[in-house]
Amino acid sequence: QVQLVQSGAEVKKPGASVKVSCKASGYTFTSYYMHWVRQAPGQGLEWMGIINPSGGSTSYAQKFQGRVTMTRDTSTSTVYMELSSLRSEDTAVYYCARDYRTHDFWSGSPTVGFDPWGQGTLVTVSS
Amino acid sequence: DIQMTQSPSSVSASVGDRVTITCRASQGISSWLAWYQQKPGKAPKLLIYAASSLQSGVPSRFSGSGSGTDFTLTISSLQPEDFATYYCQQANSFPVHFGQGTKLEIK
Repeated sequence: QVQLVQSGAEVKKPGASVKVSCKASGYTFTSYYMHWVRQAPGQGLEWMGIINPSGGSTSYAQKFQGRVTMTRDTSTSTVYMELSSLRSEDTAVYYCARDYRTHDFWSGSPTVGFDPWGQGTLVTVSS
Repeated sequence: DIQMTQSPSSVSASVGDRVTITCRASQGISSWLAWYQQKPGKAPKLLIYAASSLQSGVPSRFSGSGSGTDFTLTISSLQPEDFATYYCQQANSFPVHFGQGTKLEIK
């Protein structure tokens, strides 16, 4: 079955960086885009960006431009999200989520939604 | 960016009740809308995509409707496992934004 398994919880100090991994299985890794979405404690869902596992192209939400880097390793079917210059407001659960259907993001084609999602990785930023 | 506004932010209902949640987009998104269910401590789960298409494995008591700017999620007869938070998501263009969520609680 299609599955996304994320790395474990992290505790970081303000100003540090964190790198979260998301290992995919059960489908052709390079055929579907992957997204990162975060959720602060008691808050809603916030889209961070997208990566094309095939070529590695990325697009980030403006809010995270300059602080986030998404990469992939096709040999292990894993995508990574690195967030730098962490502050307390970055404390959240970070999810990877696969596009449910294929589409061409870079030509403006819409998605239909995200499925499945990883189990989430709690990142705590505290001094 | 296209913003999404959900209402109500919370609702109390009983098992067997019919519940409707609405979502409004700040501009037209055709039928590019998805609905998710999230239970405490769990990842969101896709329920409905393309405004009205039921995701595989989702019970038929869930239905979605709407197009343009106004959308609804209806649960026809609430079951105990349906008490959760529900989010809409505009899927028309990036950045994709989610609604603020509707918490469905037991009365």
